[in-house]
Amino acid sequence: NAGVTQTPKFQVLKTGQSMTLQCAQDMNHEYMSWYRQDPGMGLRLIHYSVGAGITDQGEVPNGYNVSRSTTEDFPLRLLSAAPSQTSVYFCASSKGTVSSGNTIYFGEGSWLTVV
Amino acid sequence: GQNIDQPTEMTATEGAIVQINCTYQTSGFNGLFWYQQHAGEAPTFLSYNVLDGLEEKGRFSSFLSRSKGYSYLLLKELQMKDSASYLCAVRSVDKLSFGAGTTVTVRA
Repeated sequence: NAGVTQTPKFQVLKTGQSMTLQCAQDMNHEYMSWYRQDPGMGLRLIHYSVGAGITDQGEVPNGYNVSRSTTEDFPLRLLSAAPSQTSVYFCASSKGTVSSGNTIYFGEGSWLTVV
Repeated sequence: GQNIDQPTEMTATEGAIVQINCTYQTSGFNGLFWYQQHAGEAPTFLSYNVLDGLEEKGRFSSFLSRSKGYSYLLLKELQMKDSASYLCAVRSVDKLSFGAGTTVTVRA
């Protein structure tokens, strides 16, 4: 079972560059989300989607874009990378919304460094 | 938004019991999750509480008091592999917000 797959696992970017973190799930989950994790701050929600064609902002959306053209894929785009975006990024999915009590499954994480 | 507080670090001896507390303030509370995260890995689901009381699952138990905005995760018969970060997460509408995590170190 593939579950939630994130690529790349490691990436180094220069300030001002753009890139896309890919996320795909094969569990037919409606709900997908992106978190970033920084030391001492826990996981913070960037963007989330409750279904194809629907996205919404989380706690820290600035500097990031998302789209949800299919149920399976939920890419996260960094428009112009900044050192403050150096972090570990996790994609997550669940069947139905979080409010229905469904467990969230996480991808393995993407370590991003912006220099 | 949510304020979720948990201790930063805890140390315990193999075979002992450790209790990790989590306090929260939130609007529209709709459940509380506990996740385990080993260094360099993704969080994995441990437990879910939506009603007051204790949920037991093997060596791990989780307790919730909604009126007090309080939960704890109890780890019994600690093993070396339990050394990890434990994340408290509060559900509100369609969002899951996390505390900063408690790093538990198990010593022989």
